[in-house]
Amino acid sequence: AQSVTQPDIHITVSEGASLELRCNYSYGATPYLFWYVQSPGQGLQLLLKYFSGDTLVQGIKGFEAEFKRSQSSFNLRKPSVHWSDAAEYFCAVGSLIQGAQKLVFGQGTRLTINP
Amino acid sequence: GAGVSQSPSNKVTEKGKDVELRCDPISGHTALYWYRQRLGQGLEFLIYFQGNSAPDKSGLPSDRFSAERTGESVSTLTIQRTQQEDSAVYLCASSRTGNTIYFGEGSWLTVV
Repeated sequence: AQSVTQPDIHITVSEGASLELRCNYSYGATPYLFWYVQSPGQGLQLLLKYFSGDTLVQGIKGFEAEFKRSQSSFNLRKPSVHWSDAAEYFCAVGSLIQGAQKLVFGQGTRLTINP
Repeated sequence: GAGVSQSPSNKVTEKGKDVELRCDPISGHTALYWYRQRLGQGLEFLIYFQGNSAPDKSGLPSDRFSAERTGESVSTLTIQRTQQEDSAVYLCASSRTGNTIYFGEGSWLTVV
């Protein structure tokens, strides 16, 4: 069965500092991988996705993620965070079934930004 | 509409009552999904619909939960005899075949 682990429940970084959020997955085949962000009281917004090809994926808001098959990881990075990046971040692994993406989510990492 | 629309945005109900949550997917999206998010937790898959295929109901937590979809349009998630543990945000999402999933803002359900 698919599963996603986000080891860090809560991370605090200073504005302008670099960021890395960890994600490890368990999946038997080549996974579809996603990072979503959820701001307080809002729905989920897709940051980036990996389906195949280049293992370094660029997303919106200056985020990127790298797929490492040998480590079963898909860590999210940003070189310099902004106060507006404070939110909950979810990693997800998906399987394509009859044209539908069935996603399994991690528990999320809450990001706090210190001024 | 431009995005996935859910209603009501907030619902407070008494334990034992039935509730219905509605989702309007993005036009043209063949797949529709329901997820549940309990306070401080990740998202749990409930059910998805894809075209004319039989829905995948494997995530529904009990027989009190059911969902229907009219063609490739509106979906309704029904929770019968609500319990306090049903309190959560219920998120609907939709996608074109094999493509990115877009989420609505959710229906916040509180059972008192």
